[in-house]
Parts: sequence; structure tokens; C-alpha cells
Amino acid sequence: AQSVSQHNHHVILSEAASLELGCNYSYGGTVNLFWYVQYPGQHLQLLLKYFSGDPLVKGIKGFEAEFIKSKFSFNLRKPSVQWSDTAEYFCAVNSPNAGNMLTFGGGTRLMVKP
Amino acid sequence: DVKVTQSSRYLVKRTGEKVFLECVQDMDHENMFWYRQDPGLGLRLIYFSYDVKMKEKGDIPEGYSVSREKKERFSLILESASTNQTSMYLCASSLGAGWNSPLHFGNGTRLTVT
Repeated sequence: AQSVSQHNHHVILSEAASLELGCNYSYGGTVNLFWYVQYPGQHLQLLLKYFSGDPLVKGIKGFEAEFIKSKFSFNLRKPSVQWSDTAEYFCAVNSPNAGNMLTFGGGTRLMVKP
Repeated sequence: DVKVTQSSRYLVKRTGEKVFLECVQDMDHENMFWYRQDPGLGLRLIYFSYDVKMKEKGDIPEGYSVSREKKERFSLILESASTNQTSMYLCASSLGAGWNSPLHFGNGTRLTVT
């Protein structure tokens, strides 16, 4: 079964600091990769996704993620965080050989200090 | 904009009660999902459905059942609630039969079983 690991459970940054959240997955076949975000009191929403092509994916609000196949990783980055980026971030993976089910990581809580 | 509506934001039930969690989506999506969200564990799939009257077990179906009598509605049923089912329950939907469609989430139902 596929699994997704997010190694940082809690991250605290000051505004303008750079952000990188790690995501590693276990499945070796064809995968789709996603980052979802949940702002306080709001529903989960899609931040960005990778299906194929350019491994550097740009999403909303200045976020980007890089798919590195050899490392089974899909890390999320932002050069300069804002207080409004305070949220919980979830990495997720699915593949056609795993029953199409989306597997989520444990989530990373990001707090940005003003 | 897709709207996924969960009927209750908060629920408190007693051990042994039968509990119904309702979810409705308004965009004619084929796929609907029930997840539970627990701190440090991320989102875990309970059941999903690709069509009316069709259901598939996810990663943690024990103690749960589902019903999909109409395309827009997907119900999660706790046959006999237990304290270890205290959690945040998230409903989601996605378009089409493909395996790369992003999920649209509801706001969640926080269930407490006492």
C-alpha cells in the first residue's frame, strides 16, 4: 500500500522567512501528487497538483512544489511567507495502480508570526 | 464554484447510538468520499463511491457504513458509535471517472462520542 510521510508536524516561521515542507511517498509507479491547505476554520482546498510534465509546479498564493522522482519527494516551497499562510498543509498521492484512492500525509501545521 | 455541504458542524452522541452524517454536493460530481481527520494522522479514507448505489471500502471502514441513493448525497453511518470514533469527518467530491481529479471538501463535522 502506498504511504505519504510529512516529516515536519509543526513549523513556526517569522514573516518573510522562506518555507519548505517535506513530503515523501512510498509508491514507485505512476503517481499524481497534490498539496492541499486548510486555513483556520475553513475547508480543505487544493493548493497545487502535479500530473506530468515540468516537475516544478506553481500553485496559488506564490506556492510551488518540485517533484523529484528519484527521491520520491514532492516538497512544498514559498520564498517569503506571510501571516495569512498560517494553516495546515497536507500532501497527498494517488495512482491508477492503487485503486485511485488518494492517500494523505499526516499534515504540517504552519504558524507564521507577524 | 463547487459546494459540498455537510449537514452538521458539531455533533455530540452517546456510545451505542446510531449516527448519520449527511453530505450533499451541488455540481453533479460522480465521485464522493468520506474521510476522518485526526491530529498527526492526516486524512484517512473510510468509504468512497463512484456512482449511485455503488460503494467501495477505504482504508478504515470498520464500524462504518455508507449510503448513496442519489448522486448528490452521500451518507456516512456509524452503526453503534464508540468513543474511538470521536473525530472530524470530512466529505469530499470530485468530477469524472479519472483518478486525477482534485477533491472538493466540505467544512467537516466534528463528532464527539461520550
